[in-house]
Amino acid sequence: QQPVQSPQAVILREGEDAVINCSSSKALYSVHWYRQKHGEAPVFLMILLKGGEQKGHEKISASFNEKKQQSSLYLTASQLSYSGTYFCGTVSGGSNYKLTFGKGTLLTVNP
Amino acid sequence: NAGVTQTPKFQVLKTGQSMTLQCAQDMNHNSMYWYRQDPGMGLRLIYYSASEGTTDKGEVPNGYNVSRLNKREFSLRLESAAPSQTSVYFCASSLGGQSGNTIYFGEGSWLTVV
Repeated sequence: QQPVQSPQAVILREGEDAVINCSSSKALYSVHWYRQKHGEAPVFLMILLKGGEQKGHEKISASFNEKKQQSSLYLTASQLSYSGTYFCGTVSGGSNYKLTFGKGTLLTVNP
Repeated sequence: NAGVTQTPKFQVLKTGQSMTLQCAQDMNHNSMYWYRQDPGMGLRLIYYSASEGTTDKGEVPNGYNVSRLNKREFSLRLESAAPSQTSVYFCASSLGGQSGNTIYFGEGSWLTVV
């Protein structure tokens, strides 16, 4: 079952902040965040693990609420290069390998 | 620095034809994945292979078969292509073993079924 992302789309001006949310109906072991530019492959941003460990991007932060099975990605002082579609992926249940993605959030940063 | 390599990049098929999408990774990864991407649907998992010798169904396996040929290669086969299988297909790989390993994607294969 796909995690649910919100909002579906957001438009920013350069320098503004944005938050993208991801929630699941299942207990989560980890949450993965990716960004995809049009016509390209998704690119890794961040992993949040059960227990609080994070690995990822120095200019992007995220939170993981294990009890609520939710994660949020925080984009601060957005740049034009932040434009793209953001996907959260979740690993849940008994499988450490099955990574399921949400439908994505389209972020547009304008000058 | 090849990473994950998919072939072909573009393919047009007629309904009912069969084809195989090839994927190879050179990162000594244990786990490999096939996703399809359709507008508004995000990335949906078709099949995955946690390790060499194992394969499991994802969210949308119907109409597809996979083969984990060896540790490097994981192929996706469409036995009788349908227009609903028109999509962009991504192969991916990761070290596996733990839920905290990064997944690396190939560049994608654009498939059109007419």
